[in-house]
Formats: sequence, C-alpha cells, structure tokens
Amino acid sequence: EPEVTQTPSHQVTQMGQEVILRCVPISNHLYFYWYRQILGQKVEFLVSFYNNEISEKSEIFDDQFSVERPDGSNFTLKIRSTKLEDSAMYFCASKEGRNTEAFFGQGTRLTVV
Amino acid sequence: QKEVEQNSGPLSVPEGAIASLNCTYSDRGSQSFFWYRQYSGKSPELIMFIYSNGDKEDGRFTAQLNKASQYVSLLIRDSQPSDSATYLCAATISNFGNEKLTFGTGTRLTIIP
Repeated sequence: EPEVTQTPSHQVTQMGQEVILRCVPISNHLYFYWYRQILGQKVEFLVSFYNNEISEKSEIFDDQFSVERPDGSNFTLKIRSTKLEDSAMYFCASKEGRNTEAFFGQGTRLTVV
Repeated sequence: QKEVEQNSGPLSVPEGAIASLNCTYSDRGSQSFFWYRQYSGKSPELIMFIYSNGDKEDGRFTAQLNKASQYVSLLIRDSQPSDSATYLCAATISNFGNEKLTFGTGTRLTIIP
C-alpha cells in the first residue's frame, strides 16, 4: 500500500543550526503539506504546496522556514537557525485532489538543544 | 480564526460499549471532515471521512455530519482496548481555493477492560 515516508525519524540539533526534513509523498498525489505538533498540543498547519509553489502558509511559517520540491518525488522542509521552541514532531502529508483524504507520514521528531 | 473544537477528555468507556466523540467547526464553507486516530508519539491515522449530511458507517465506526449545526461525531461500537488513543477531528478549510486540514485538539479515549 502506498505511503508517505519521512526521514529522519528523529533529529537532534543544536540551537542556531539548520535542519532539513525530508518527505516522499504518495506518487500520484498533487497536494503536499507540512504540519507540526508540539508535545501535548494540537496538530498545527504550517504550509501547503501545490503545482510547485506554496499555496498557503500559516503565521508560524515565517522566514525561518522554507519548502522545496527539488525533484519529482521529494518534498523538503528547511528550518534555518533553529530555536528551542522548534522542538516538535513534524508531519508531512499528501493528498490526491481537492476534498480527498490526506495521508500522513510517520513524522520526524526534532529536538533542538 | 476558523476553528475546530473538541472536548479534550479524557473519555473513559467500558470495553464493549459505544464510544461517542464529538466535534464542532466554525467555517460554514468547510466541505469535508475527517477523523484521525493518533497513538502516543505516532502520526495521525485516517479512520473515517465524511462529506455529506447524515451517517456513514465503516465496520465498527460511524461518522455523523450535521452541516446545519456544524457538528461532526464519531461512534465506535463494541469498543476494544486497542481503540484507546487520541481521536482528532479535522475539517477542510478552503481559503481562496487553497485547502488545508484544520485539526481540533483531539479527544483522549480510554477503553476500560
């Protein structure tokens, strides 16, 4: 069964460093998303990506964040100059079309120390 | 702010009983609604989705949607200990043609053997 895959599963980084979180969405899906979940809190929308560009971003998604789809399969989230409060689970999701269900990857646990 | 609201629980239900989870949403333009199950430290897993008013059944799960009341619910029949998890309600919020899932805070469900 097709699935969204994310790497790494766990990343520890020092404050101020840059991290890149990687995702491979399901192959025929057209809409891509990044969400994050701080421990004990709700799943929060970060950014959506469609047709090779950002379609919407949240207030959280400031200049520290960027997304790329460098080739036909990968979808990355870059966090520049990480802060302690960036520690969270980061989920990638993809869906086939409008009003369809989104499938989530297993997540990357980011720990900033 | 377009919101999805859930009672955070915890909700405790005896094994074999019916668990009833509720959710309200604020955006009348929302067209699709989803229930995800999330085990601690894991990613959201899709359980049910519903687009039309009324009931939708899948095995032990029934989703109910009332657009007039902006209310979505999930019933779990014959509850099993393995159903113990946090259940996330999500709605598709459209913004100038862009879609994103907005999640509630989740309801923590415990099935008591």
